[in-house]
Parts: sequence; C-alpha cells; structure tokens
Amino acid sequence: GAVVSQHPSWVICKSGTSVKIECRSLDFQATTMFWYRQFPKQSLMLMATSNEGSKATYEQGVEKDKFLINHASLTLSTLTVTSAHPEDSSFYICSASVAEYEQYFGPGTRLTVT
Amino acid sequence: GQQVMQIPQYQHVQEGEDFTTYCNSSTTLSNIQWYKQRPGGHPVFLIQLVKSGEVKKQKRLTFQFGEAKKNSSLHITATQTTDVGTYFCAAHMRFGAGTRLTVKP
Repeated sequence: GAVVSQHPSWVICKSGTSVKIECRSLDFQATTMFWYRQFPKQSLMLMATSNEGSKATYEQGVEKDKFLINHASLTLSTLTVTSAHPEDSSFYICSASVAEYEQYFGPGTRLTVT
Repeated sequence: GQQVMQIPQYQHVQEGEDFTTYCNSSTTLSNIQWYKQRPGGHPVFLIQLVKSGEVKKQKRLTFQFGEAKKNSSLHITATQTTDVGTYFCAAHMRFGAGTRLTVKP
C-alpha cells in the first residue's frame, strides 16, 4: 500500500515553455500532498503543501505564480512550472501523507530546461 | 520554518563497520522521521520517533530520539553494501542535509 506515482519521470523542455507534473496516490486518498525540489547531491527543499480543494501553501521564497499547484481530487495533485528557465532544472518529488508526518514519495520527475 | 542540522555530510566505511548519523534542532521537536534515498531513487520512509528518549530498532538499524526531543540519531551496525544511500532526518516536512553513506566491500 501507500504507492505514489509521478508523471512524467523525466522531461526536457525549451526555455519559456510550461511543464505540468502529475502526482497521484494510487491506493489511498491523500488530502494533503507535498512538493519538493532536490538539486544533485543536496537535500529536499519543501516547495509547497497542496491541499485538496483549496489553495496551496507555498514556502517562503517559492514563487506561487511560477510554480502553479492544483489539487483537484483526493488522488491527484499537479505542479506546473510556468515559463521555465534553465535554473528551474531540477528533480521534483511529490509526497503524500498517510499518517501524520509519515510521507510516501513519488519516484520524482527530472526536469531539464534547455 | 524550523530546521534540523544533520552531520556528517558524508561517511565512507568498510563493509562490516558501524555507521551513525546525527540530527540536531535548536527547538523541541514533536516528532522526527528518518528516510533513506538510494542513488537515483526517491526517499523511502524508515521510521518515526515521537516519545522523549525513544529507541526503535529495525534489524541492524537503531533509531534514537533524545530526552529533550532536540536530537536524534540513526545507527547502523555492521554495514553492508545494501546500506549505501543518503539518510535524511526530517521534522515538520523539512529535511536535514542528509548523510551520504558509501560502503567499501
């Protein structure tokens, strides 16, 4: 149980375009999902908390207009990187809470912006 | 948000040696979680500690939560090559820097 999927697993896009990443909880309902960003050999940085049916809560320093989060159902949250630039290239990982603070992570999406 | 400091950043051991990573917080934590991330993979939940002074074991892994709930440790006894990866502590969705463990056969 507690399986989280992400799609796509990797994506290459041109600078200025937008990319949508999907995060799905496959065998449970997740009222809360989290989006992280991880640079090579670094830790995970919490970007935002995604709540089903309400606006996401963004961490300080994360541009909400650039990283659009939508949590339309109890099993799906999406992150859209708008007007992507090379500095947005990173590994984006979502997670869903099963129990308080216990998170199950998706496999991640590697974004490369050229 | 509150942060947890994790040391060491890297640890290279000979197979069979023990390994320990430490997390510290300047504030009291309600709980702390530990995760393992294999190279190229995603973090996998290992355990959550909640009680002051709590000690939990998973085979060769021993997790401790300090009496003051400001520090925690993960100890691996007799490391194996399968233990390779980065171990993260996390509190309130915020991750420590991680300790990257490499094991020489």
